[in-house]
Amino acid sequence: NAGVTQTPKFRVLKTGQSMTLLCAQDMNHEYMYWYRQDPGMGLRLIHYSVGEGTTAKGEVPDGYNVSRLKKQNFLLGLESAAPSQTSVYFCASSMTSGGRDIQYFGAGTRLSVL
Amino acid sequence: AQKVTQAQTEISVVEKEDVTLDCVYETRDTTYYLFWYKQPPSGELVFLIRRNSFDEQNEISGRYSWNFQKSTSSFNFTITASQVVDSAVYFCALSDILQTGFQKLVFGTGTRLLVSP
Repeated sequence: NAGVTQTPKFRVLKTGQSMTLLCAQDMNHEYMYWYRQDPGMGLRLIHYSVGEGTTAKGEVPDGYNVSRLKKQNFLLGLESAAPSQTSVYFCASSMTSGGRDIQYFGAGTRLSVL
Repeated sequence: AQKVTQAQTEISVVEKEDVTLDCVYETRDTTYYLFWYKQPPSGELVFLIRRNSFDEQNEISGRYSWNFQKSTSSFNFTITASQVVDSAVYFCALSDILQTGFQKLVFGTGTRLLVSP
């Protein structure tokens, strides 16, 4: 009954360091998403994927890269972390397009960049 | 552009009070979807309801009810007889079709509901 699992749950980085956030879903969903949540701004879409091997940019893609080598996994990378990337990151998945289908969210990753 | 406005930043009520969370949206589309998600203190977002633009029937699920009015572009959420477990941030979201044809969600900024015993 896992659903969408994100690792790690918390991370502190120094400016310039790199890291990868992992998202795994066990619902055989085609679509996966990465969002960031900042105070007073709701959730904003960073990148998304409509299937294995595909990725596309969302609203705020700068500074992030993603990969979807396996259908169940969606990785979010920060190559050179900046303080502006301090945020809570959520992964989500859906069977069909996320604008009309229910999205299932992970528990989030709280990232601080010092 | 698609936009969702949740004007109430924070609402505080006492247990057993009824409370309504407002959601007003702007859309260029004739067909669209609206959602409500709940974010409890534990952090994850939990789906509550989806409504498409052709279905204007109000919906009731236990203590929760939703009032969809296209004439005023609103999709309000009411909790009847609130409980402490209802304390959370609630997000309203609207579908948005990109030029690629992909549909994404546009989220409001959320309303924090605090229910005191």
